[in-house]
Amino acid sequence: AQSVSQHNHHVILSEAASLELGCNYSYGGTVNLFWYVQYPGQHLQLLLKYLSGDPLVKGIKGFEAEFIKSKFSFNLRKPSVQWSDTAEYFCAGTVNNAGNMLTFGGGTRLMVKP
Amino acid sequence: GAVVSQHPSRVICKSGTSVKIECRSLDFQATTMFWYRQFPKQSLMLMATSNEGSKATYEQGVEKDKFLINHASLTLSTLTVTSAHPEDSSFYICSAPEGQGDMYSYEQYFGPGTRLTVT
Repeated sequence: AQSVSQHNHHVILSEAASLELGCNYSYGGTVNLFWYVQYPGQHLQLLLKYLSGDPLVKGIKGFEAEFIKSKFSFNLRKPSVQWSDTAEYFCAGTVNNAGNMLTFGGGTRLMVKP
Repeated sequence: GAVVSQHPSRVICKSGTSVKIECRSLDFQATTMFWYRQFPKQSLMLMATSNEGSKATYEQGVEKDKFLINHASLTLSTLTVTSAHPEDSSFYICSAPEGQGDMYSYEQYFGPGTRLTVT
């Protein structure tokens, strides 16, 4: 069965620290991968997505993610976090023969200390 | 970007009553919408796929007679929690992909969610 897992449940960083959030997937077919962010009190927003092509994907607000097929990973990175990045981050994926149905990882709650 | 709204944002109801939650795509048409449930400090769990003009597709373990879904038009899907019980208290979120045809890559837009509390 298809699944998405996130290793880190809670991450606490100081401003300007570098961020890497892990995401692994288990799919048999061609996969599309997404990172969503949920700021406190707001709804989910798309940060970036990988569909095909260049495995290094750049998203909004300075985030990027790298699709490494051999490792079944799609880790999210940001070189220097800000206090405003405090949010919950969800990795999600779909398989091309499963419609547009997203499977979500468990989420990672990031707190950035000013 | 596209906007998805939900109404109400919060609802408190008594055990045994039914509650209807609306999900609307405000500036685009959505032949498919998705309903999720999010428990506190947990991830989103897909409940069902709502299809305009046909029956909804429910995920394993989701009672279709309890969670009635109606996709009345290309911009509206409703989720009715029938005979609600305290264990149905949760945060319900809908989403809709913008686009038709090859849907696999389309971005999904999420509603703000509805917090249901059953007393």
